[in-house]
Amino acid sequence: GNSVTQMEGPVTLSEEAFLTINCTYTATGYPSLFWYVQYPGEGLQLLLKATKADDKGSNKGFEATYRKETTSFHLEKGSVQVSDSAVYFCATLKTSYDKVIFGPGTSLSVIP
Amino acid sequence: GAGVSQSPSNKVTEKGKDVELRCDPISGHTALYWYRQRLGQGLEFLIYFQGNSAPDKSGLPSDRFSAERTGESVSTLTIQRTQQEDSAVYLCASRGQLSYNEQFFGPGTRLTVL
Repeated sequence: GNSVTQMEGPVTLSEEAFLTINCTYTATGYPSLFWYVQYPGEGLQLLLKATKADDKGSNKGFEATYRKETTSFHLEKGSVQVSDSAVYFCATLKTSYDKVIFGPGTSLSVIP
Repeated sequence: GAGVSQSPSNKVTEKGKDVELRCDPISGHTALYWYRQRLGQGLEFLIYFQGNSAPDKSGLPSDRFSAERTGESVSTLTIQRTQQEDSAVYLCASRGQLSYNEQFFGPGTRLTVL
């Protein structure tokens, strides 16, 4: 079945540093791929998504590219801010009738 | 409202009591999920409803946990004979029909078992 692997956290970065959070998936076909974010004390919300190979999802300065050849969807941001401190979840969905599979989440702390 | 709502927002109960948590999904969303999130932990999948199909109950941790959904609307998660390890935030989410639709999460119910 589908599965998602994320890099282990927690990740601590200084403000304006470059961020990469790795995500790889296991699935047949062409699943949709998502990044969700959970800010402290808040619920999960969609950050970005991509639905086919080579698509790039982007939002709030974050980007992730759907790489079919490496089955990856790594999250990147060129310059993180303290307000980006949150837990980030990678997720995949194969078809409309399957359930969304979430990775374990990666906690990010950005320090001034 | 337009979002997923859950009630109660907080529930404190005594060990051994039964609790019922409610989720109102976004209207028209065929898929509904329940998750559990312990403090500082990731999402633990509990159960998944998709339209009129039999629910995927593979994540329910024990037979004390059950959930129902009325058609494509309200869902209730019931925990019988609560234990202290059941303390967590219980999240509900719903999703539209298409595979690229995002999942919308409710604010959660924080359950504390004393």
